[in-house]
Amino acid sequence: EAGVAQSPRYKIIEKRQSVAFWCNPISGHATLYWYQQILGQGPKLLIQFQNNGVVDDSQLPKDRFSAERLKGVDSTLKIQPAKLEDSAVYLCASSLDPTSVGAGELFFGEGSRLTVL
Amino acid sequence: AQSVTQLGSHVSVSEGALVLLRCNYSSSVPPYLFWYVQYPNQGLQLLLKYTSAATLVKGINGFEAEFKKSETSFHLTKPSAHMSDAAEYFCAVSKTGTASKLTFGTGTRLQVTL
Repeated sequence: EAGVAQSPRYKIIEKRQSVAFWCNPISGHATLYWYQQILGQGPKLLIQFQNNGVVDDSQLPKDRFSAERLKGVDSTLKIQPAKLEDSAVYLCASSLDPTSVGAGELFFGEGSRLTVL
Repeated sequence: AQSVTQLGSHVSVSEGALVLLRCNYSSSVPPYLFWYVQYPNQGLQLLLKYTSAATLVKGINGFEAEFKKSETSFHLTKPSAHMSDAAEYFCAVSKTGTASKLTFGTGTRLQVTL
């Protein structure tokens, strides 16, 4: 079974430029998450999709970050314009129906490492 | 709000020694607790989870964790460390017991020496 695919793995941009990350979840997983992992910190949820609808985007900096999940499968996370503090690893994860108690397992991609200069 | 605190950002053990990674939680409701492992340049992988069925939870790769309500702890242990256990370990908490609303700790990097 194929895992969560992310691209690009690495990206270096200058501040104020834009960047986009792509994620393809595990087939059949209705729920998709984007996490931000800053060096030395744990992952922080940015946005959660259920199919192609947003469930939680309370921690997404909406003035510069946007995300979409067209057709309920692939997702794109965009940052425009980027700031120095956006340097981090952006992790995509997917899961089965999260409303099932005890489901609790996120399947993570390898991440996209962003460096903003 | 739920949160977890991982004591010790770096832990070093000898191969064959006991591994103990500490996690304390704060929750206003009965929590659901998870341990994830992240190997270098990889995504996170679930090690084990506590969802109130049993206080001692066994996970993959010989790891286990015990939920202690009186101590608000969920420490991760393994009797004998192996070189392949070197990784970063994250404790996480959720009030829903599902993959939603997970709050991660800051992580503990485990180093295993010969």
